[in-house]
Amino acid sequence: GENVEQHPSTLSVQEGDSAVIKCTYSDSASNYFPWYKQELGKGPQLIIDIRSNVGEKKDQRIAVTLNKTAKHFSLHITETQPEDSAVYFCAASMNTGTASKLTFGTGTRLQVTL
Amino acid sequence: DAGVIQSPRHEVTEMGQEVTLRCKPISGHNSLFWYRQTMMRGLELLIYFNNNVPIDDSGMPEDRFSAKMPNASFSTLKIQPSEPRDSAVYFCASSFTGGPSAKNIQYFGAGTRLSVL
Repeated sequence: GENVEQHPSTLSVQEGDSAVIKCTYSDSASNYFPWYKQELGKGPQLIIDIRSNVGEKKDQRIAVTLNKTAKHFSLHITETQPEDSAVYFCAASMNTGTASKLTFGTGTRLQVTL
Repeated sequence: DAGVIQSPRHEVTEMGQEVTLRCKPISGHNSLFWYRQTMMRGLELLIYFNNNVPIDDSGMPEDRFSAKMPNASFSTLKIQPSEPRDSAVYFCASSFTGGPSAKNIQYFGAGTRLSVL
């Protein structure tokens, strides 16, 4: 089955700096890669996603890149703010007609300091 | 839509007792997922349903765990008997599985924090 590795496990940056979180996946058949943000006491929420036919996607201060050959994808947050502090999860999925099983990474705890 | 609704938000029980967690998926979604989150093991998929039918229950840890989806708007996860190692946050998520070209975005509920004493 799919295996997703995520690094680093913790990340501390100063407000205004950039943060980068990296993930690798094992199954070349995976074609959908979402990123979730989990705040304390809440469930994970989708923040951005990318499909395997796209190399990069950007949404305001958040961007995701995908390298299918190397089987890795990354989340980039620019101009970080205190409200970006949370746990971030990457995931990989192979979408079929009846299944959309996500395999999650182990999470990165991001701390944005003032 | 109110999103995925889970109940209860917190559950404290004694070892050996039966625990039932409930989930109401987003209206119109046809896939439902149960996850367990712990510090040691992270976010684990326990079981998921498509059109109310269990598709993959390979993540269910033991026979003590069971899940049902009697209709498109309700699912339960039951633990009987419960043990202290079952203490975790249990999440339910739902999505619309629209085929290979669809994103199948999963939307999570707020979770149930279970403590087994």
